[in-house]
Amino acid sequence: AQKITQTQPGMFVQEKEAVTLDCTYDTSDPSYGLFWYKQPSSGEMIFLIYQGSYDQQNATEGRYSLNFQKARKSANLVISASQLGDSAMYFCAMRETPGSGGGADGLTFGKGTHLIIQP
Amino acid sequence: NAGVTQTPKFQVLKTGQSMTLQCAQDMNHEYMSWYRQDPGMGLRLIHYSVGAGITDQGEVPNGYNVSRSTTEDFPLRLLSAAPSQTSVYFCASRTDLYSNQPQHFGDGTRLSIL
Repeated sequence: AQKITQTQPGMFVQEKEAVTLDCTYDTSDPSYGLFWYKQPSSGEMIFLIYQGSYDQQNATEGRYSLNFQKARKSANLVISASQLGDSAMYFCAMRETPGSGGGADGLTFGKGTHLIIQP
Repeated sequence: NAGVTQTPKFQVLKTGQSMTLQCAQDMNHEYMSWYRQDPGMGLRLIHYSVGAGITDQGEVPNGYNVSRSTTEDFPLRLLSAAPSQTSVYFCASRTDLYSNQPQHFGDGTRLSIL
């Protein structure tokens, strides 16, 4: 089974609409963390938001929030009031305890969602 | 405010040539890693290091060597380049292997092997 699944290879959204990017994960480690990164066409990887498995509240950072549903093992990224500059690839990643079945260093990335914001 | 610095940004090699991708960080991070990014594949871990003098293999280590002689530097060597190594390479660092802090990435090296 995939550790991180991003089911939307691509999305088109109208400017100013809210966007939800899906991410489901698979782990038996009780202590884990979930990250979202943005990769614009210029290529750099930009950290957006983090959610720890023991955090009681959903993480928020400006227009970004993480809809964390632990029982469903989902960690969807929500972008409010989308802007043209939000067009990019978005990657979900999970950090587990190294050796608990994830990547060799405990970090696994999804394959990404390509988001295009239309004017 | 340098963070993680990768050089070069672009490189074209012929099959069989060798080269070193440079990576340096100025945040005193113990953990550093190299990824390759291919279309539709996300990021795949090549090698990583938990501190000076310590390196280990990731998911796709074949054809690559690394060393970590200092905390700051973590070069990636291609011994004999092959077209299958055409990719975008990212170096990353974080505080340590178990940190909850996000990884910091370099800007990437776009490598083409002819």
